[in-house]
Amino acid sequence: QSALTQPASVSGSPGQSITISCTGTSSDVGTYNLVSWYQQHPGKAPKFIIYEANKRPSGVSNRFSGSKSGNTASLTISGLQAEDEADYYCCSYAGSSTLVFGGGTKLTVL
Amino acid sequence: QVQPQESGPGLVKPSETLSLTCDVSGHSISSGYYWGWIRQPPGKGLEWIGSIYHSGSTYYNPSLKSRVSISVDTSKNQVSLKVSSVTAADTAVYYCAKETTPSTVRGAFDIWGQGTMVAVSS
Repeated sequence: QSALTQPASVSGSPGQSITISCTGTSSDVGTYNLVSWYQQHPGKAPKFIIYEANKRPSGVSNRFSGSKSGNTASLTISGLQAEDEADYYCCSYAGSSTLVFGGGTKLTVL
Repeated sequence: QVQPQESGPGLVKPSETLSLTCDVSGHSISSGYYWGWIRQPPGKGLEWIGSIYHSGSTYYNPSLKSRVSISVDTSKNQVSLKVSSVTAADTAVYYCAKETTPSTVRGAFDIWGQGTMVAVSS
């Protein structure tokens, strides 16, 4: 069970859209639509922003959206804002009631 | 509102056992959701440790399974974590978190505690 692969960093200017990828295998992301995404600001606990690949919890901005194709899940943030600058983590179900997280992506808003 | 609160020693000696508790307020652990433990070494990413149901059903990260034990005490509305034979690599912020979907492990943790930092050092 290896960590999911995310780019170490992405950046974008205010108002732009960015996409963060999360690549797994046929044992996790590729088989299950059970990918979640979390936003984490420095020194804070992670915040739940996407589940089941493309569902948004109540209260989460519709600027956040998720998708999945094959072994790769993606998080898109549109209309980038300064407050979106944070670390982002994906998490996938990996079978037999086990989970695996991605290594995390640092988003910089230029 | 649901508020988990992790607690435990901030410093543990190498080879000893790390013990943490997560006290939950505003929500009954017996209401049917899995609770997970997740950790984050300083400057690094998140790692799932394991999850537990109020019935005691537990699931563990295969890479940690031999050293980890998670338990639940419904009378105290708390879940606990033990990690044995700790090394410096176990130094991390430890979080407890609640799954959003009843009765299943999915990695969709909607409520997180603030986390507690544990350092392993002599």
